[in-house]
Amino acid sequence: GAVVSQHPSWVICKSGTSVKIECRSLDFQATTMFWYRQFPKQSLMLMATSNEGSKATYEQGVEKDKFLINHASLTLSTLTVTSAHPEDSSFYICSARRDGYTFGSGTRLTVV
Amino acid sequence: GQQLNQSPQSMFIQEGEDVSMNCTSSSIFNTWLWYKQDPGEGPVLLIALYKAGELTSNGRLTAQFGITRKDSFLNISASIPSDVGIYFCAGPLPGGGNKLTFGTGTQLKVEL
Repeated sequence: GAVVSQHPSWVICKSGTSVKIECRSLDFQATTMFWYRQFPKQSLMLMATSNEGSKATYEQGVEKDKFLINHASLTLSTLTVTSAHPEDSSFYICSARRDGYTFGSGTRLTVV
Repeated sequence: GQQLNQSPQSMFIQEGEDVSMNCTSSSIFNTWLWYKQDPGEGPVLLIALYKAGELTSNGRLTAQFGITRKDSFLNISASIPSDVGIYFCAGPLPGGGNKLTFGTGTQLKVEL
């Protein structure tokens, strides 16, 4: 079946630094991947749609300069949280579509 | 944005009991998906529904696509401790491309 791998599973960083999260489709090619953010006890909120070979499309209210998305190949999309602040601490989840929507295992980001 | 409302928000049941939860929307959906999320993990697909009135089972789980296309229901029979988690409904909003909208979630706790 379709497998999506996300790395790292957790990361702690200092305020002001940048953090990169990787999302890979292991056994299929994904021209489109999706990035979600989930705060404690809340639902998944779509941040952006990552398109291979072109710019990502961001949901309303999501700062594209803060959350940089790169989809350089058919199996890899990266989300970089730039100049991280404590309020960026959250659970970030990626997803790719093949027949259905498969999700990565998530990345817990803590900014201190 | 569009929100799918799930009910109940949380439930605490005894092992062996049956569980029912629902998801409603003000908009029509053509696909309903039910996911389960364990703590610190990404959502995992349980059941997918593609046609109004459709009733689909996956082991002890049964889900139905409402006739109005604005709601869906998930039932779990004879609950066991590993059923603990958060259950989300989701669907691609018609006219919204392939982007998934998630429900508010139902947290299930099972008492031994």
